[in-house]
Amino acid sequence: EAQVTQNPRYLITVTGKKLTVTCSQNMNHEYMSWYRQDPGLGLRQIYYSMNVEVTDKGDVPEGYKVSRKEKRNFPLILESPSPNQTSLYFCASSLLAVGSYEQYFGPGTRLTVT
Amino acid sequence: AQRVTQPEKLLSVFKGAPVELKCNYSYSGSPELFWYVQYSRQRLQLLLRHISRESIKGFTADLNKGETSFHLKKPFAQEEDSAMYYCALSGRGETGANNLFFGTGTRLTVIP
Repeated sequence: EAQVTQNPRYLITVTGKKLTVTCSQNMNHEYMSWYRQDPGLGLRQIYYSMNVEVTDKGDVPEGYKVSRKEKRNFPLILESPSPNQTSLYFCASSLLAVGSYEQYFGPGTRLTVT
Repeated sequence: AQRVTQPEKLLSVFKGAPVELKCNYSYSGSPELFWYVQYSRQRLQLLLRHISRESIKGFTADLNKGETSFHLKKPFAQEEDSAMYYCALSGRGETGANNLFFGTGTRLTVIP
């Protein structure tokens, strides 16, 4: 089944403890992206990747890192999480950089930083 | 700069009534616009895109460049339409790359 998967789905952690949220797609998509969803703010883009080894900042990149060593994987790294990074995170992919291409979303990762 | 505005955070309508979810945008170029929907406990998914000029699940949306709007409409709302709806614009951001920019979303509740 063609899909985007994220792990873990739920995570509770403490301030400063490094964590990684994995994202994988099996559709051979070139474009991948991370969003965070917060009440009243909608979805805001954190980072995106146009292809392997090509990543760039979105609207809210502070406190996050990403890597794209393989086409299928696009992990989101929080080196030193803080409570303001408590949010619902979505990974998405599309065949090419968005234009009229549909973005396929993962199920989301709910992160709580205490 | 690109911007997508959805003025209504919450919208409630009765089953069978018409529904319109508003979306306005600002973008200096020629935009590509989408509606995404998130049903309860499901993933965010594409509902429709303006370039296709299609009707999905009875919903339509017309791009009005004069009013810079892309409102989503359905003549007769159904209970299964209750969901969170996001309007999105595909265009070049400040970094120069082509990305997808979302509005803040409207939660639609259809009352039986």
